Amino acid sequence: DTGVSQDPRHKITKRGQNVTFRCDPISEHNRLYWYRQTLGQGPEFLTYFQNEAQLEKSRLLSDRFSAERPKGSFSTLEIQRTEQGDSAMYLCASSLGRGAQYFGPGTRLLVL
Amino acid sequence: AQKITQTQPGMFVQEKEAVTLDCTYDTSDPSYGLFWYKQPSSGEMIFLIYQGSYDQQNATEGRYSLNFQKARKSANLVISASQLGDSAMYFCAMREGKGGTSYGKLTFGQGTILTVHP
Repeated sequence: DTGVSQDPRHKITKRGQNVTFRCDPISEHNRLYWYRQTLGQGPEFLTYFQNEAQLEKSRLLSDRFSAERPKGSFSTLEIQRTEQGDSAMYLCASSLGRGAQYFGPGTRLLVL
Repeated sequence: AQKITQTQPGMFVQEKEAVTLDCTYDTSDPSYGLFWYKQPSSGEMIFLIYQGSYDQQNATEGRYSLNFQKARKSANLVISASQLGDSAMYFCAMREGKGGTSYGKLTFGQGTILTVHP
């Protein structure tokens, strides 16, 4: 049973560039979540999907952020025109219905 | 108001002793779930234990138990027989139920850094 995987694990980019992260959930999990965590803080919710439907988006998710889960399996999170304030750990989690959320290893983004 | 409050920025415990990490929560929803996660220095969030608001008994999972006091809105994590590998950041989180607008997401506290001394 493989866990949640995320790719890449680390990303360094220049301000203004676009970046895309991928998350592969646990195979039988129908829900997928994205969170952002900055240093010394708890994760903050960004968005979540049930199957392919995006059911909730946080106010933190500005117009520069978009997430997709086209076939209800893997998901991508894209940040356009990155800013230094986007530097954070981006965590993906999945769950089976309302069960516990299991997290991936995260993608650490540094915007220079 | 903070939905999840962890008042202990750091805690120290001697190996093999028990330690309690505090968590209080705030919700008006009658249906909610409380979770504890461990985050080692590697960064991955590891699910430890879950307590539902309607559960009559305190949750236990190996060396982890959750001291759930509904009237006081507290959900403290108790780690028995601490091990060196327990040194990590610990987060308390809440998922509110169907009555709220946040049916799926977890709201996390600020975390408590636990250091286990040999």
